[in-house]
Amino acid sequence: NAGVTQTPKFQVLKTGQSMTLQCAQDMNHEYMSWYRQDPGMGLRLIHYSVGAGITDQGEVPNGYNVSRSTTEDFPLRLLSAAPSQTSVYFCASSRGPTDTQYFGPGTRLTVL
Amino acid sequence: TQLLEQSPQFLSIQEGENLTVYCNSSSVFSSLQWYRQEPGEGPVLLVTVVTGGEVKKLKRLTFQFGDARKDSSLHITAAQPGDTGLYLCAGESPGNDMRFGAGTRLTVKP
Repeated sequence: NAGVTQTPKFQVLKTGQSMTLQCAQDMNHEYMSWYRQDPGMGLRLIHYSVGAGITDQGEVPNGYNVSRSTTEDFPLRLLSAAPSQTSVYFCASSRGPTDTQYFGPGTRLTVL
Repeated sequence: TQLLEQSPQFLSIQEGENLTVYCNSSSVFSSLQWYRQEPGEGPVLLVTVVTGGEVKKLKRLTFQFGDARKDSSLHITAAQPGDTGLYLCAGESPGNDMRFGAGTRLTVKP
């Protein structure tokens, strides 16, 4: 039981490049979410999904896309990276939106 | 403006001291969670409080939910270096998702 896995661990992009952050969970959780963590700002919700085929926007969705084709996977796509997207990104899963959230180890992204 | 305000932002103490950190809001929450995050890792849930006035203890950690369910506190007795980390509170937003405070970064020196 691996829990929540994220890849890559670290990534450096140039402004304008696109990339996908991968997230997978093996706990059969319906609810998955993406957060970004910046100093002094805490965790801010980017997008979330309440089940396969269903996604919705969180607090800070601009510049990011998500899809949920399976229960297990919830990738986050950066369409055209900007320096303001430099952050640590965490994926989380839970049975429901207010249940215990299980977080992945994070992806540290730097956009130059 | 954050839904949850945590204070202090930073706290550095000596091993053996007691401390309290706070999580405050103007909103009422049906439940509130406390997480601890260590460097390079994701947050891990410590406790969930659901009833106004509720007190929960986890070894040397005592969590209290305010009577009006707008605030919470975390008290640590006889802090140890292993308690070092970022303590985050999270509450259910009007949109039925969890919103996090900015956290209190605790350092316990040996």
